[in-house]
Amino acid sequence: SQTIHQWPATLVQPVGSPLSLECTVEGTSNPNLYWYRQAAGRGLQLLFYSVGIGQISSEVPQNLSASRPQDRQFILSSKKLLLSDSGFYLCAWSGGDYGYTFGSGTRLTVV
Amino acid sequence: AQSVSQHNHHVILSEAASLELGCNYSYGGTVNLFWYVQYPGQHLQLLLKYFSGDPLVKGIKGFEAEFIKSKFSFNLRKPSVQWSDTAEYFCAVELEGNNRLAFGKGNQVVVIP
Repeated sequence: SQTIHQWPATLVQPVGSPLSLECTVEGTSNPNLYWYRQAAGRGLQLLFYSVGIGQISSEVPQNLSASRPQDRQFILSSKKLLLSDSGFYLCAWSGGDYGYTFGSGTRLTVV
Repeated sequence: AQSVSQHNHHVILSEAASLELGCNYSYGGTVNLFWYVQYPGQHLQLLLKYFSGDPLVKGIKGFEAEFIKSKFSFNLRKPSVQWSDTAEYFCAVELEGNNRLAFGKGNQVVVIP
């Protein structure tokens, strides 16, 4: 069966520090991968999506970047975090008739 | 601009009451439609989805949704809610072939025992 792993679950980082959030998918190949950010009262905002290794599309300009070094690995990064980067980050994958499946999320607090 | 609209962000109701959450989208073309639920402290789970066929879709936990193409709507319903239905509900739309899911802002539903 397909599973999606996302870590860490919570993270507190100082302003100006780097960020690396990792997401991996098991049980499928060549999935579409996504990073969303969830903010209270604002729903889920799509940040990045990828249809293959090295292929990244950005939906909104921001202080973040994404990379897909392997077929089932999707990484969200920042060189220098801002206070406004605080939020709940969700990784998701889609493929075939499975629709979209979401990870358990990372609560990022920038202090 | 393309968008997904959910109104009445906060809904409070008593057990056994009926629930209906509205969802409207502004995309042209063929769409795939989803409702997701997020229970307190848990991750997003799929309630139901519509790709094609019967516009009345049955989901898990007694939920259903109706796709009305002429109204660009996909409203979620449950005839009789339980305390355990307290959660945040998200409508989402995928433009067919677009490989991206756009979400509404969500409805925070609180069911009072």
